Amino acid sequence: DAGVIQSPRHEVTEMGQEVTLRCKPISGHNSLFWYRQTMMRGLELLIYFNNNVPIDDSGMPEDRFSAKMPNASFSTLKIQPSEPRDSAVYFCASSFEGAFTDTQYFGPGTRLTVL
Amino acid sequence: AQKITQTQPGMFVQEKEAVTLDCTYDTSDQSYGLFWYKQPSSGEMIFLIYQGSYDEQNATEGRYSLNFQKARKSANLVISASQLGDSAMYFCATFRGPSGTASKLTFGTGTRLQVTL
Repeated sequence: DAGVIQSPRHEVTEMGQEVTLRCKPISGHNSLFWYRQTMMRGLELLIYFNNNVPIDDSGMPEDRFSAKMPNASFSTLKIQPSEPRDSAVYFCASSFEGAFTDTQYFGPGTRLTVL
Repeated sequence: AQKITQTQPGMFVQEKEAVTLDCTYDTSDQSYGLFWYKQPSSGEMIFLIYQGSYDEQNATEGRYSLNFQKARKSANLVISASQLGDSAMYFCATFRGPSGTASKLTFGTGTRLQVTL
């Protein structure tokens, strides 16, 4: 089975530009998570969805960040406008919430560089 | 709120030796889960092993085992017969249970393991 798919794998953009990161969760999983990883702050949960509904977005840094999950097989994380401090690796993860372990499986990540 | 502490920023181990990576957690929940993930230099996060708070036996997955000491709130990862490919960052994480109530993972700061010849 295919794992979590993220695109693009690398993104380099200029400050002020809009950035859209994409994620396809594992088929059958009903929860989807967006994380950000930086050297300074480690792994931070930005937002998570359950059955396509945003459950907790308290980790979203500010209004420049938005996330959507229009259906069970696709989610986007958008940054508009982007700033250099947004440079990080962004991970998408999915799990089946309903099984007790709720193990989250991560995608390969998108390395974002904002110049 | 949950908290994960990994006190070893870096560890070295010789190939074929066993190594223990420390993890302590702080939670007031009765039901919770503990995970270990591996992050090699290529960047992906790889799930290794899971331990539930009510599991009486320590979890094992191949060369990985979890030394779970509930009273001490520790969940150390033991890697037996280390291989060069085990060189990576290792993260301990926890979530609250039971399933469906709060699936958010809280991660530690990680331990960088280097396996030497």
